[in-house]
Amino acid sequence: EVQLVESGGGLIQPGGSLRLSCAASGFTFSSYAMTWVRQAPGKGLEWVSGISDRGGSTYYADSVKGRFTISRDISKNTLYLQMSSLRAEDTAVYYCAKSAGATRLYYFDYWGQGTQVTVSS
Amino acid sequence: DIVMTQSPDSLTVSLGERATINCKSSQNVLYSSNNRNSLAWYQQKPGQPPKLLIYWASTRESGVPDRFSGSGSGTDFTLTISSLQPEDVAVYYCQQYYSTPHTFGQGTKLEIK
Repeated sequence: EVQLVESGGGLIQPGGSLRLSCAASGFTFSSYAMTWVRQAPGKGLEWVSGISDRGGSTYYADSVKGRFTISRDISKNTLYLQMSSLRAEDTAVYYCAKSAGATRLYYFDYWGQGTQVTVSS
Repeated sequence: DIVMTQSPDSLTVSLGERATINCKSSQNVLYSSNNRNSLAWYQQKPGQPPKLLIYWASTRESGVPDRFSGSGSGTDFTLTISSLQPEDVAVYYCQQYYSTPHTFGQGTKLEIK
């Protein structure tokens, strides 16, 4: 059974940094691209970032480019999102999701339950 | 960026009736490598993560009831629920995965009349 479990969320002051983790199990982690999608309170889904199967290619939304860094540790079956210079508008539930593809980001067939990030003073 | 626009924003349908949600992309999302449209549909119930329903515009994900179907090509797509059930109350999103950023539609809230 595929499982994706996010952690690392919390309350952080504007300008601060936070690292999210997503522990993956139930599939060959190194064979699939992965992604982060966020959802602000009462709002729709926003794609944030993606990474290819071996980590050679990374992709970012303009809203986070230069502030967020996606990475993966294949030995630990874990996806990360390093977030810095956080703003109030980054407040959201952050979901990690598995792509159906390897090098390309296709549709997302499995999602975690999400972790809440709140940026506030 | 490809802009995805869904219509309507909300929809109220009687049990057993058909529900239709539309999605329009600002650019063609036909993936030339396999001649398929890079369009997915997701269902999100309150307090839950999104769930994949349809991919490649018309392929139903394993385990999804066959009352859900997807159609369309190029820039215009439709999600149809043939006979609405109580458990179908949710917000539905389309998403293009043709190019990054992989944009979502704004969502359509489906309720029962």
